[in-house]
Amino acid sequence: EVVMTQSPVTLSVSPGDRATLSCRASQSVRSNLAWYQQKPGQAPRLLIYAASTRPTGIPPRFSGSGSGTEFTLTISSLQSEDFAVYYCQQYDDWPPYTFGQGTKLDIK
Amino acid sequence: QLQLQESGPGLVKPSETLSLTCTVSGGSITSGGFHWDWIRQPPGKGLEWIGSISHSGISYYNPSLKSRVVILMETSKNQFSLKLTSVIAADTAVYYCARDWGKGFNWFDSWGQGALVTVSS
Repeated sequence: EVVMTQSPVTLSVSPGDRATLSCRASQSVRSNLAWYQQKPGQAPRLLIYAASTRPTGIPPRFSGSGSGTEFTLTISSLQSEDFAVYYCQQYDDWPPYTFGQGTKLDIK
Repeated sequence: QLQLQESGPGLVKPSETLSLTCTVSGGSITSGGFHWDWIRQPPGKGLEWIGSISHSGISYYNPSLKSRVVILMETSKNQFSLKLTSVIAADTAVYYCARDWGKGFNWFDSWGQGALVTVSS
């Protein structure tokens, strides 16, 4: 099973600043990585797939990068609605698909 | 627009079977090559993939749960279902149904709102 490790566990950032979230895989997952945003009481929302592709409707301030075992989600100029928990997910080696434990982005 | 909706009992006794149904609207579960998934989230914790079923009815399971899980399709109702046997308190979670694109494109682009299932006597 591919273990996904996210860092940091919590990230405190001021509105308008940039946030950088990391995700590491225990083995190469090539570019088969997705990012999700989850707000309290809501289902996760897909932000990025194939490591760097945004689905229709996701604002360009969200960007993903990386391949192999190291990945980054960057949120430029944080908006109030961006404070949430973010998860990475690999879909290269399955079953099972595996998620990171999450990074909570909160307001500084 | 695709919509998914979970339904089923919110309380299950230990050792019994958890049963949930996901009703899909806005698209057929037998077309497009999609896979239909169950994912759970214990209160305050992260996400765990339970398993999926393909548009053609092939099921895939998380090895950690495989001995207790069955995922089936009910094509006439455009639904798919989850059965988890011999539940324990650690199975208490919000259960989500979701869609992935299959064929190496296995990200989850549509989700249900989630159903909280509590395991307790």
